[in-house]
Amino acid sequence: GQQVMQIPQYQHVQEGEDFTTYCNSSTTLSNIQWYKQRPGGHPVFLIQLVKSGEVKKQKRLTFQFGEAKKNSSLHITATQTTDVGTYFCAGPKWGGSNYKLTFGKGTLLTVNP
Amino acid sequence: KAGVTQTPRYLIKTRGQQVTLSCSPISGHRSVSWYQQTPGQGLQFLFEYFSETQRNKGNFPGRFSGRQFSNSRSEMNVSTLELGDSALYLCASSEGLAGITDTQYFGPGTRLTVL
Repeated sequence: GQQVMQIPQYQHVQEGEDFTTYCNSSTTLSNIQWYKQRPGGHPVFLIQLVKSGEVKKQKRLTFQFGEAKKNSSLHITATQTTDVGTYFCAGPKWGGSNYKLTFGKGTLLTVNP
Repeated sequence: KAGVTQTPRYLIKTRGQQVTLSCSPISGHRSVSWYQQTPGQGLQFLFEYFSETQRNKGNFPGRFSGRQFSNSRSEMNVSTLELGDSALYLCASSEGLAGITDTQYFGPGTRLTVL
């Protein structure tokens, strides 16, 4: 089953409102990655967080990695219609013989102009 | 550098048939991972190949198989297709093993429809 939980599943906002998606793992992660998939497109890498408590910013996007390295969040300030898409978090999970990158189910963000 | 390419982009098959999908990674990338994406299940990991060896496998039946060639290109095969195999199949490449330190670069996907 899914070992990386992501909430909410859907989020609809008015343009200009803020948006946050949360990612949780039952086990400590060595790193966490975030991807964005536009409607009809493919996932595109956004960022990787490695350190406990790490915070990184990309313009209006703020990414955080929890102190215990089990949770992460992505916050978008003042959403725009270009932010529409599904945001996935992903972390390496032991797959029995090697680590495999395990994705959360994603948060679909829609923005009303 | 050119991105990850996948062929074909769209495919329509009938139940019981088999299909082969192809993925060419970014030049220099040695790892290719395959994912199945469906609306209800999100991105499900199929398998990862690195240097022509399968390094990890997801929870899919044996009908799903893959291989990687010496030039890092990879193919995925699904035999005895079922209706539930209809999905977007994505491949992703990375320099090293995915998930350890390296990020993945996804191809545009192959949309498979099974009738």
